Amino acid sequence: GENVEQHPSTLSVQEGDSAVIKCTYSDSASNYFPWYKQELGKRPQLIIDIRSNVGEKKDQRIAVTLNKTAKHFSLHITETQPEDSAVYFCAASRWGNQGGKLIFGQGTELSVKP
Amino acid sequence: EAGVVQSPRYKIIEKKQPVAFWCNPISGHNTLYWYLQNLGQGPELLIRYENEEAVDDSQLPKDRFSAERLKGVDSTLKIQPAELGDSAVYLCASSQTRDQEETQYFGPGTRLLVL
Repeated sequence: GENVEQHPSTLSVQEGDSAVIKCTYSDSASNYFPWYKQELGKRPQLIIDIRSNVGEKKDQRIAVTLNKTAKHFSLHITETQPEDSAVYFCAASRWGNQGGKLIFGQGTELSVKP
Repeated sequence: EAGVVQSPRYKIIEKKQPVAFWCNPISGHNTLYWYLQNLGQGPELLIRYENEEAVDDSQLPKDRFSAERLKGVDSTLKIQPAELGDSAVYLCASSQTRDQEETQYFGPGTRLLVL
């Protein structure tokens, strides 16, 4: 069935360093890839997303890249800050015919040390 | 604009008891989702509504779980009877699929503990 693998499960970086989280999806028809940030006890919040018709998208310190051929996409956070510490989830969906069912990865716990 | 609202935020019950969760989506959002999030894992879809129609309930354990969205706005998710393994966070999300908008906005969730 549909599956999204996310790595690493935990990531610890020093403040100011970059962080990279990688995801691989199984459904080649997936065309929408959001990233959510979830702080402890809080709701998942969308931080960036990308559609299958583009290969890269950037928003200030956050960027996402997509390789459709290899079926993987990555989140890049530059100049990390302690407030970036949270669990990050990637997701994939086949938007359109089957609506918006999101298949989530297992999550990456990011810790940014001051 | 208010976000997705869920209640209660926390619920503790004994096994075999019934429990219900309520969700009010963002105003104007026609699509509503219920997700289950186990500790340390990503959310998993239970059911998706387009207006009042359940268009994807393939992951909903229908022997004990039920859901409704009678007027195409608020929704209720029920478990009867609850089992120990149902302890988790139940998240509601909504989106405006009518205008081809994919973004799903999540509520704060209901944290359920079954004893």
